[in-house]
Amino acid sequence: QAVVTQEPSLTVSPGGTVTLTCGSSTGAVTSGHWPYWFQQRPGQAPRTLIYDTTNKHPWTPARFSGSLLGDKAALTLSGAQPEDEADYYCLLNYGMAHVFGAGTKVTVL
Amino acid sequence: EVQLVESGGGTVQPGGSLRLSCAASGFSFNTYYMSWVRQAPGKGPEWVAKINQDGGVKGYLDSVKGRFTISRDNAKNSLYLQMDNLRVEDTAIYYCSRDYGGFWGQGTLVSVSS
Repeated sequence: QAVVTQEPSLTVSPGGTVTLTCGSSTGAVTSGHWPYWFQQRPGQAPRTLIYDTTNKHPWTPARFSGSLLGDKAALTLSGAQPEDEADYYCLLNYGMAHVFGAGTKVTVL
Repeated sequence: EVQLVESGGGTVQPGGSLRLSCAASGFSFNTYYMSWVRQAPGKGPEWVAKINQDGGVKGYLDSVKGRFTISRDNAKNSLYLQMDNLRVEDTAIYYCSRDYGGFWGQGTLVSVSS
């Protein structure tokens, strides 16, 4: 099965902007992979922030946005808040299989 | 409102079996692909299995192929995961998921231990 790659860790200053990326071992990530982004705070279950590349849920803060950036999917956090410190996982769809990335630990410091 | 409620978790010895269930409501269950996802303690989430709308097409994580079976009953708005020959490494919280939109249930804990 494919391997999905993410940055292991990123640091952002409060109020700053950070971009997380999600790559695929099979080639360029496209909208056909229906990229998802999940946020997991310590001790909590993962929650979906972005689905199908760019779509948000009502609970998704406006400062999060999803996109395709070059050959990867991307999650951009603009105006980071302390509560955004968490692990972020991307998920790609490969037909009848899905693969999660190993996650990016975002520190707001 | 989309709701997914898992049940059936518990503690079982290696080699044992469990059947997880997921009751779905708030959407047209028979029009969506559904999946099971798990998260082991201290690890990231891992997709386990997927089923299409009528149950005729299924996909599995390589490490569970031949041991786990996903199924659904559209008349009952329910999703299932039959888990046989369980291993210690299958220990995790198992989540029922509606593929489009990424809706998850609250999860049910499966612990495989001797």
